[in-house]
Amino acid sequence: DIQMTQSPSSVSASVGDRVTITCRASQGINRWLAWYQQKPGTAPKILIHAASSLQSGVPSRFSGSGSGTDYTLTISSLQPEDFATYYCQQGSTYPLTFGGGTKVEIK
Amino acid sequence: EVQLVESGGGLVQPGGSLRLSCAASGFTFSNYWMTWVRQAPGKGLEWVANIKQDGSEIHYVDSVKGRFTISRDNAKNSLHLLMNSLRAEDTAVYYCARYSRQSSAWYAFDIWGQGTMVTVSS
Repeated sequence: DIQMTQSPSSVSASVGDRVTITCRASQGINRWLAWYQQKPGTAPKILIHAASSLQSGVPSRFSGSGSGTDYTLTISSLQPEDFATYYCQQGSTYPLTFGGGTKVEIK
Repeated sequence: EVQLVESGGGLVQPGGSLRLSCAASGFTFSNYWMTWVRQAPGKGLEWVANIKQDGSEIHYVDSVKGRFTISRDNAKNSLHLLMNSLRAEDTAVYYCARYSRQSSAWYAFDIWGQGTMVTVSS
């Protein structure tokens, strides 16, 4: 199975900060990497697919990059509605697997 | 409006069974892979099972193989998960999601339901 390791597990940041979350796969996943945002009590929402493709309707302050085993989600200027938990997910190989999550908290 | 609505969750004793359903609307259900993803209380997301458009290809996470069965009814735009031999560790919110293998969201879950809670406890 491909293990997805996210870091950090949590981050405290202020409105306007730049936030970077990383996701490392235990083997190459050919950029078949998606990022999701989840707020308490709600379903996850897709932000990015194929490592860097912004999903329709998602603000442009979100961006993704990476290749091989290492991927990054960047929020360029954190907004109040961005405080949430973020997950990466690989779609390269079954079983499909998620990272452990990164909680973005208010500083 | 594109929508997925789960139902069928509840409290069940260890060893018992439960059947979850997911009603799809707002898109051509038969054109998409579908999936179940679960989330234990306070924990992260875990993919459970996928089913191809015509049901000819199915995949499960190892921990549910032989106990859970995913199925679909394209005529009724519905997805199901039959869960047998339930264990305490199956306690989770179960989400139905659309699994895209198209350019709109390559190999990702682009539409999610609101989830249904399954509690396995005596």
